[in-house]
Formats: sequence, C-alpha cells, structure tokens
Amino acid sequence: DIQMTQSPSSLSASVGDRVTITCQASQDISNYLNWYQQKPGKAPKLLIYDASNLETGVPSRFSGSGSGTDFTFTISSLQPEDIATYYCQQYDNLPPAFGPGTKVDIK
Amino acid sequence: EVQLLESGGGLVQPGGSLRLSCAASGFTFSSYAMSWVRQAPGKGLEWVSAISGSGGSTYYADSVKGRFTISRDNSKNTLYLQMNSLRAEDTAVYYCAKAPISSTWGTNFDYWGQGTLVTVSS
Repeated sequence: DIQMTQSPSSLSASVGDRVTITCQASQDISNYLNWYQQKPGKAPKLLIYDASNLETGVPSRFSGSGSGTDFTFTISSLQPEDIATYYCQQYDNLPPAFGPGTKVDIK
Repeated sequence: EVQLLESGGGLVQPGGSLRLSCAASGFTFSSYAMSWVRQAPGKGLEWVSAISGSGGSTYYADSVKGRFTISRDNSKNTLYLQMNSLRAEDTAVYYCAKAPISSTWGTNFDYWGQGTLVTVSS
C-alpha cells in the first residue's frame, strides 16, 4: 500500500502570510493527488485535484504543485477563514490513502 | 447543485449491524462512482469502500473486507453501506463521497456529504 506523509503536522501563521505544506508519497503516484480542506465539524472540501488544478469556485490564493512522490500545497496569503486541517490524498493505486493532515491556525 | 445526505448512523453494540444510506441529488447518479470514507473522533480520514456507477465493481479497505458491503440503487439515487460484525474501532463519522466522471475506481472525491456518526459501544 502507498503511504502518505505530510509536514508540518500543524502550523500557526499570521494573516497575509504565505503558508506551505508538503506531502510525500512512498512511491511514484504521478499527479494523482488531491488536496482537501476540512473545517471543524464539517465535511472535507476539494481544493486541488490532479496535484495542481484548482477546483471550480476555490479562491486563487490556493495552489498545488509537484509530481511523482513530492507535492506542495500553498496558501499565498493566509485569511482567517482558512483555519482548517488540510489533507493530501493519493488515488493512483488501491487503496487510496490520505495524509495525516496539517492543522493551520492564525497566530 | 450536488447534494449528498447520509443517514442511518447511531449507537450499536459490538458485533451488531447497521445500514447507512446516502441520498444523492443534483447529478446523474448512475454515471458516477461513489465511496464511503470514515473519520474516527479526532483522527484523520480513512477510505472504506467504493462502487462503480453501475454497481458492478466494488472495492474495500482491508480493515472492513468481509464485514462491510457497499451497494447502490440507481432507481432511488441512493448509496448504501451494510456494516456487520461491528467493532469499537469502527466508531467514526461516515461520509459518502462522489467521484468525478474521470475517476478510475471512484477513489478521488469532488463532493462529500455531511456525515453520519456510528458509535460502537456496549
């Protein structure tokens, strides 16, 4: 099975800061990677699909990059409404696997 | 507008059974693969099971294989998860999730329901 790791596990940043989260797969997954946002008590929401494509309606301050085993998720200017946990997920192979999540809050 | 509404969660004793439902609307249900994903309290996301649009192909996580059964009724636009031999470690919020049309196995998700809580405890 493919294992997904994320770093950091949590971070605290100021409004307007650039925030970067990394995700690593245990083997090559090409670009079969999604990023989700989950706010407390809510369902996850798709932000980025196929590693770098912004889902319709998602603000452009969110972006993703990478392929193979190493991926990056960026919030270019952190906003108060971005407080959430962010998960990467591979869907190249069965079973699909999520990263452990990165909790983002405001400093 | 895509809507997914889960129901059927609740408190069940270890070894018991429960059937979850997910009512879908806002899209041509039979054209899309669907999955169940769960989240134990305070923990991360875990994929449980997927089913093709026709229902002819199903996939399971090793942790539930042989105990859970995914199915769908395309005439009712409803997805199901039959859960048998439940264990304490199955306690979680269970989400149904829709896959995009391009999905190979239904294991990437563009819409999620609000979830239903299953608690396995004596």
